[in-house]
Amino acid sequence: EDKVVQSPLSLVVHEGDTVTLNCSYEVTNFRSLLWYKQEKKAPTFLFMLTSSGIEKKSGRLSSILDKKELFSILNITATQTGDSAVYLCAVSDQTGANNLFFGTGTRLTVIP
Amino acid sequence: EAQVTQNPRYLITVTGKKLTVTCSQNMNHEYMSWYRQDPGLGLRQIYYSMNVEVTDKGDVPEGYKVSRKEKRNFPLILESPSPNQTSLYFCASSLYSPWAASGEQYFGPGTRLTVT
Repeated sequence: EDKVVQSPLSLVVHEGDTVTLNCSYEVTNFRSLLWYKQEKKAPTFLFMLTSSGIEKKSGRLSSILDKKELFSILNITATQTGDSAVYLCAVSDQTGANNLFFGTGTRLTVIP
Repeated sequence: EAQVTQNPRYLITVTGKKLTVTCSQNMNHEYMSWYRQDPGLGLRQIYYSMNVEVTDKGDVPEGYKVSRKEKRNFPLILESPSPNQTSLYFCASSLYSPWAASGEQYFGPGTRLTVT
């Protein structure tokens, strides 16, 4: 059965710290990996990764995929209180089922 | 404004009373999907639709029905709700499949359903 595991489950840091969130996966025929940010409402899209070793970057956030080791990391530098959220990782496969498998998320809390 | 809307936002109902949660998007997206989110289990896909009149089961379809008669609307129907369907439900849409070129999926604000 396909599985997506995120770690840590929860993280508390001070403003200005750099954090790394992890997502490992086991899918039969990997297609893509997506990161979302969920605050007190609906998830919002951050990145989609399909190729190993190519970093995606948006401001202080960046992400990279390792298809050999089956994981991705999401980095946030110079964290701010507005980064506090649950970060979700999702993986799609190529079986034709056309659905996404989500991890349970990492809850990040940034304190002033 | 581009958005996905869901109604109602909150609903408390009793076991066995049929209900419908509506979902509508104004972006002419082809792909729409329903998820439920439960503590410790993350987001799980219930049903999805690749286009009008094309729907398929996700991971947890039991107890749910959907329809896609128009491109913009994708209602979720619970014919006979049970307490284990108490959850937070999200509708989402994207131009194509969520793993296509942009990969961006837009989520609705969520519907918190309680079945007693």
